[in-house]
Amino acid sequence: DAKTTQPNSMESNEEEPVHLPCNHSTISGTDYIHWYRQLPSQGPEYVIHGLTSNVNNRMASLAIAEDRKSSTLILHRATLRDAAVYYCIPPSGNTPLVFGKGTRLSVIA
Amino acid sequence: DARVTQTPRHKVTEMGQEVTMRCQPILGHNTVFWYRQTMMQGLELLAYFRNRAPLDDSGMPKDRFSAEMPDATLATLKIQPSEPRDSAVYFCASGFQGGAYNEQFFGPGTRLTVL
Repeated sequence: DAKTTQPNSMESNEEEPVHLPCNHSTISGTDYIHWYRQLPSQGPEYVIHGLTSNVNNRMASLAIAEDRKSSTLILHRATLRDAAVYYCIPPSGNTPLVFGKGTRLSVIA
Repeated sequence: DARVTQTPRHKVTEMGQEVTMRCQPILGHNTVFWYRQTMMQGLELLAYFRNRAPLDDSGMPKDRFSAEMPDATLATLKIQPSEPRDSAVYFCASGFQGGAYNEQFFGPGTRLTVL
């Protein structure tokens, strides 16, 4: 199984961009990279996923390195509601998602 | 707005008692997962089902935990007898797995406290 490495915590000022990094050096060529987040007192929620090219949706953007060994989740303008634990998860095929410790993002007003 | 529902949301019980947690997956999803979250261990996968058949329950303590899907609209996780170390938040998630990527939808969780 692919392993991930994320910083334990990050801090951002409100309304500024946030770049959350993830290393997944053992990822295989067909594994999608998923990002989930968990807001306080809630279950995790899907944020975005990608395979090789950069992806955008209404929540965030995902920048994937050319060698796919790392990716960066980008929140273009952090709000207080974005304070959460962000999980980078590269699954293997159809196996269940395996959550690591994630990155705890604090947003300062 | 389709959601995964879980009941009860909170449960306080005494050691040795039986606990049953229920989950209603999103209609049409073919895969159901049970996770447990504690401060020390984070989110751990306990078991999952596809098309109601158990695929993997290696994350569960077999002697006291059991998971079932009596029908497509109900998944249950039972602990008998419960112990204080079972205190955690238990999440159910559902998804449709058949393609190259999978998106899981999580319920709000059941916060279990075993005294």
